[in-house]
Amino acid sequence: QKEVEQNSGPLSVPEGAIASLNCTYSDRVSQSFFWYRQYSGKSPELIMSIYSNGDKEDGRFTAQLNKASQYVSLLIRDSQPSDSATYLCAVNKGDYKLSFGAGTTVTVRA
Amino acid sequence: GAVVSQHPSRVICKSGTSVKIECRSLDFQATTMFWYRQFPKKSLMLMATSNEGSKATYEQGVEKDKFLINHASLTLSTLTVTSAHPEDSSFYICSATHLSGGNGYTFGSGTRLTVV
Repeated sequence: QKEVEQNSGPLSVPEGAIASLNCTYSDRVSQSFFWYRQYSGKSPELIMSIYSNGDKEDGRFTAQLNKASQYVSLLIRDSQPSDSATYLCAVNKGDYKLSFGAGTTVTVRA
Repeated sequence: GAVVSQHPSRVICKSGTSVKIECRSLDFQATTMFWYRQFPKKSLMLMATSNEGSKATYEQGVEKDKFLINHASLTLSTLTVTSAHPEDSSFYICSATHLSGGNGYTFGSGTRLTVV
C-alpha cells in the first residue's frame, strides 16, 4: 500500500466549475497535510496546509481533513484555466519528511 | 519570506562528468534541507535529507557515493551528481524547512539535468 494515494486523473472540468481532488494516507500518525500545485517544468508551490479535522478555506480553495478516515481533499471553486496543473498531496508524519502522492492533473476547459 | 534559491536551473553535461547543484535559503536559516528527483509525469521522490554540520541521510536505494550532499552552512546545501550517466537525467528539486507561519516547506525552482 502506498503511503499517499490520490484519485487518478486526469481531471477535466469546465471553467467556473468545482474541481474536487481526493487523497488518502496510510499512516495514522501523520500530523500535517499539504496540497501543492505544480505547473509543467516547474517546482511545486504550496496551495494549502491543514493540520486539524474539518475545513480550511483560502480564497477559491478549500481543504478538508478527516483523520479518522485518513482522508484529505481539495476543492477548487470557480475553476480558471490558470488552475490547470498537477496537484500533489503531501503528508508529514512528524519527522519533517514529506511523502507525496502521484499527483492529479487538472485541466480547466475555457 | 521563506525563499529558496536553486542553481542552476538547467544543465547539460557529458557522461562521466560531475555536476553540482546548489540550494540556498535566502531569508531564513535551514538546519534541514531535502533533495528530491522527479521523472516526467511522476511524483517527487525523496533522495536524501541534508543536515547542517552532519552527514546526509539517504533514502533506501539512493547511492550516497553517487549523489554527494554537503550542508556546510545553515543557508547552503549542495548536491553533486558524480560520474553522471544518461539515466541520471531528471528534474532535481531541493526544499528547506523553516518554521514561519507553520508551513515548514519551501521548494527551490528545480534543476533540469540532462546527461548526454
